[in-house]
Amino acid sequence: DTEVTQTPKHLVMGMTNKKSLKCEQHMGHRAMYWYKQKAKKPPELMFVYSYEKLSINESVPSRFSPECPNSSLLNLHLHALQPEDSALYLCASSRGLAGDLSYNEQFFGPGTRLTVL
Amino acid sequence: LAKTTQPISMDSYEGQEVNITCSHNNIATNDYITWYQQFPSQGPRFIIQGYKTKVTNEVASLFIPADRKSSTLSLPRVSLSDTAVYYCLVGDKNTGRRALTFGSGTRLQVQP
Repeated sequence: DTEVTQTPKHLVMGMTNKKSLKCEQHMGHRAMYWYKQKAKKPPELMFVYSYEKLSINESVPSRFSPECPNSSLLNLHLHALQPEDSALYLCASSRGLAGDLSYNEQFFGPGTRLTVL
Repeated sequence: LAKTTQPISMDSYEGQEVNITCSHNNIATNDYITWYQQFPSQGPRFIIQGYKTKVTNEVASLFIPADRKSSTLSLPRVSLSDTAVYYCLVGDKNTGRRALTFGSGTRLQVQP
């Protein structure tokens, strides 16, 4: 299995809602990532988990809360989002960690298209 | 922090070879270069990675001159399905962190 899966594919939420995005990989990868991508822009890194521990937080607002329950799962909890948070949220995983040459070969999921009303 | 610069867009025709150049003037000794491809509404897909000279795989070739201040992704005989955005990333093999910063990307349009 060389796939990263993400659910849901699409999500529409109000500014007072609480929702979660889910990401799963069964490749035994040790690092997992959340990216945010606005239309016609490159992906922007949000969080990195290494060995199920948060290793990078790119100064993301607290209304985004990541969670890594186990080595295969990564969640992104959303609360009190703003319309400008509407974007494609991408999850990725990699076999290697920082310092490994394989670190850069990230496998991306198809993303969750989020719309905040 | 090594920054990458790529052409915003390129046009080509089916069957032609396409070369996309990325400038990274401030590349450090430990930095290596990685390229990703992204189709609309999909996640990026790893294409190729290199540190110096030339790297080739079943999809593309990566040419890196001796000064390593630029690199060129070469796609042989493109088809319509190669229409996508191509990103060049530069990262420190020791920390890996800069490898997570995508540049602005090059939008390749292949015409029949």
